[in-house]
Parts: sequence; C-alpha cells; structure tokens
Amino acid sequence: NAGVTQTPKFRVLKTGQSMTLLCAQDMNHEYMYWYRQDPGMGLRLIHYSVGEGTTAKGEVPDGYNVSRLKKQNFLLGLESAAPSQTSVYFCASSRNPGLAGAAISSYEQYFGPGTRLTVT
Amino acid sequence: AQSVTQPDIHITVSEGASLELRCNYSYGATPYLFWYVQSPGQGLQLLLKYFSGDTLVQGIKGFEAEFKRSQSSFNLRKPSVHWSDAAEYFCAVEWEYGNKLVFGAGTILRVKS
Repeated sequence: NAGVTQTPKFRVLKTGQSMTLLCAQDMNHEYMYWYRQDPGMGLRLIHYSVGEGTTAKGEVPDGYNVSRLKKQNFLLGLESAAPSQTSVYFCASSRNPGLAGAAISSYEQYFGPGTRLTVT
Repeated sequence: AQSVTQPDIHITVSEGASLELRCNYSYGATPYLFWYVQSPGQGLQLLLKYFSGDTLVQGIKGFEAEFKRSQSSFNLRKPSVHWSDAAEYFCAVEWEYGNKLVFGAGTILRVKS
C-alpha cells in the first residue's frame, strides 16, 4: 500500500494563478483532511471530508475550495493564489470512528509527505 | 477556543541524555491525545496516543508519554536520546467527534554529539 500520496511535491505560483493539489489514499478511509503548516503555528485544518461527496470547513478555509468526487481522492484548489498561501500543505486520512464497533485505531490520522507551495 | 500549547519552540540535548517535551491543552471533555514526529522534509508519523486507561503510554522509537488530567498535560519523554531523534515534535488533541485534531506549534529537537 502506498498510504497517502500527494501531487505535486513542490510548486511555485505567481499571485492570482490557480492550481489544484491532489491527495490520494489507498486505505479505503472515509475521512480525509487538508492542513497547512506554517512556522510556529503547527498544522491548521483547512477543510475536511467525512465521505464521498461531502466536505466541510475547518479552521482556515478562506481562499481554498475542495472536492471529494471519489472516496480515495481529495482535491484542494486555490482559485487565485496569494502570498499568504505560501505554506506546506499536508493531506491526511482516517477511518470513521463513529462506525459501530470502530476500533480505537480509527482515530489515527495518516499523513501524506506534503506539498511545498510558494506564491510570489 | 480549545488550544494546545507546546511552551518550548527549540530544545537542544546531548546524545544519550534524557528528554522531556511539554504539552498542555485547554480544558474540555476527555480528550484524545497524540504525539507526532516530523523529520525534515517528511510527513508526520504517529509516535503514540492516549484514549483511556493507563495514563502512561508507550510509543514507537522508545518514547513514552504521561497523561495528567489535573495538569491538562501530556508530556513526551525518552530516557536516552539518539542523534536520529532530531526532528520536530507535535502534540495534538482531539476533543470532539469528527477527528478534528488541534495541533500545538511544535518543538524542534536538536541533538548534539
């Protein structure tokens, strides 16, 4: 199993350009997440999804959109990139802890290797 | 708002010395507690987690952490640090259904030989 993969690994954008980050997981997880990591601030949740076709806002959703058309993929879009969106982006996935009989391990989130985005 | 505090931004220890990284969280319902490690240029790897039961939990790579409810703390410890432990460590807390993790700002560990 590849686990959680992210594409691309690095990207440089000019202000105003758009792009989509792709996250894929092969663990059949229901939940998927997008975080951004900035120095001194840890990871902050941008958007998340509890299942195919559903998305919800996290802590810092402004300027981002997401889609979950397939269970294994979670896309993060920047419609008009700004320098403030320079960051490292991490995708994660987990099982659904709300399922009857779900194991404690359902709460563990598995992270991808990250995408380093620079907006100039 | 619920928050997680890691008071130490950087810590430097000598190889072979003991290590303790601090983590405090704001009051709330019984939390689920995690420690993750991030090596340079890598994603996050789960070191250990606490959900219930014994308040001293063992993790991978020789790490352990102790949950102290009265102090709202979940400090990470290792008796003897190796050079390969140099990384950034994140404490994370889950308070509510939905797997919404709140992360601390991280502590960068440097190991000197």
